[in-house]
Amino acid sequence: GQNIDQPTEMTATEGAIVQINCTYQTSGFNGLFWYQQHAGEAPTFLSYNVLDGLEEKGRFSSFLSRSKGYSYLLLKELQMKDSASYLCVPLDSNYQLIWGAGTKLIIKP
Amino acid sequence: GAVVSQHPSRVICKSGTSVKIECRSLDFQATTMFWYRQFPKQSLMLMATSNEGSKATYEQGVEKDKFLINHASLTLSTLTVTSAHPEDSSFYICSARDGQRDGGETQYFGPGTRLLVL
Repeated sequence: GQNIDQPTEMTATEGAIVQINCTYQTSGFNGLFWYQQHAGEAPTFLSYNVLDGLEEKGRFSSFLSRSKGYSYLLLKELQMKDSASYLCVPLDSNYQLIWGAGTKLIIKP
Repeated sequence: GAVVSQHPSRVICKSGTSVKIECRSLDFQATTMFWYRQFPKQSLMLMATSNEGSKATYEQGVEKDKFLINHASLTLSTLTVTSAHPEDSSFYICSARDGQRDGGETQYFGPGTRLLVL
C-alpha cells in the first residue's frame, strides 16, 4: 500500500528553525513535493525533489533520500505567517500525488 | 508565475440544483487539470484528472454523471455538480500542471471553491 508518515502537529518559536520529517512508501516513485496549506485555503507549492540531496529556496529547504524513503522540510527564521499545515506529497509510478494529512505547524511568539 | 484562478470562491445553493465551478490557468497553458475535494480536517481527495480535448478520468467512487468535467481549452476546465445534495457540501479545489517548470510534474492550485448545499 501507499503510506505517508509525518508528525501530526509541531510547535516552534518565531525566529527559530524547525524540521518536519516525512517517511513514505509508494508504488514506484517519481519525486516528492512539499506543499503549504493555511487553514481554509488551497495548497501552495513549496518544493519538488526528484534526486537525493538538499534543495534550498530562501527560508525553506527540502531534503530527499530515495533509498530511505525519507524527506524533510527545513524552515528557517520562522515567522508567524508560517503557521500552517505542511504536506509531504510523493508522486507514485502513475504520476499521481499521494496526499496525507500533513503536519500542522504552530508558531508561537 | 503559475497562477490558477477559480470562480466562484463560495457558493450556496438549494438541494437539487446544479453548480458550475470554473478553473483557469492565467499565465500558462495546462494540458492537464485536476479536481480535488477536501472535507474539514481531512486530506485532499482526487476526484478526476482532466486532459484538454478529451474525457476526464474519474477516481474510483466518483460519479462521472454527477460531477461533469469539461476541459475545452488549455486554460479552462469546469466542474459541474449536478443535482447537488447537502452531502456534496465541501471545499472543491482545482489544480493545473505546467509541464515547463518545477520539474514538469508540479501542480499549482487554485484558491478553492467552498460549496454549501442547503
